[in-house]
Amino acid sequence: KQEVTQIPAALSVPEGENLVLNCSFTDSAIYNLQWFRQDPGKGLTSLLLIQSSQREQTSGRLNASLDKSSGRSTLYIAASQPGDSATYLCAVKNYGGATNKLIFGTGTLLAVQP
Amino acid sequence: NAGVTQTPKFRVLKTGQSMTLLCAQDMNHEYMYWYRQDPGMGLRLIHYSVGEGTTAKGEVPDGYNVSRLKKQNFLLGLESAAPSQTSVYFCASRVWRGETQYFGPGTRLLVL
Repeated sequence: KQEVTQIPAALSVPEGENLVLNCSFTDSAIYNLQWFRQDPGKGLTSLLLIQSSQREQTSGRLNASLDKSSGRSTLYIAASQPGDSATYLCAVKNYGGATNKLIFGTGTLLAVQP
Repeated sequence: NAGVTQTPKFRVLKTGQSMTLLCAQDMNHEYMYWYRQDPGMGLRLIHYSVGEGTTAKGEVPDGYNVSRLKKQNFLLGLESAAPSQTSVYFCASRVWRGETQYFGPGTRLLVL
């Protein structure tokens, strides 16, 4: 059974710092991995999606990497800003099935201090 | 476009009461999903639908029923609410060949 873990559960950094969020998964046979952002009281917003054949994806100050063999993904945020404060979740989709079922981690709560 | 909307935003129920949560999307998406989010746990899939008139069970379907009578709406029903169903419920949708799911703002449900 696929399990997704995110460490740390919470992180506080000063504004301007570069930071890395971690996501690990137990079954390396994934189809893709996504990173989401969740603001308090809001739904999830997709940030980056990495296909199993890719090593990384970039969007602005965000860079996500994927190492299937080790069961790890990282989300790198450059030059953090207070507006980046949110919960970041990763989710994997396994091969097989047509449901687009996602298996989520429990998230990392990020606070960027001004 | 409003995207994915959920009604109501917040609800308090007594044990044994019933209610229906409504999810609506205006993006003409084929797939729709209901998740629940609990503290210390990731989002878990309750039920999903691959098109109008079809539904299927997800990871935690017990105690819930769903219906998809119209393509744009996906209803989640609780026939006899239990305190264990206290949670935040999220609806999501995606286009048939897409990978990105679009989420609604959530419904916070408290069962006393």
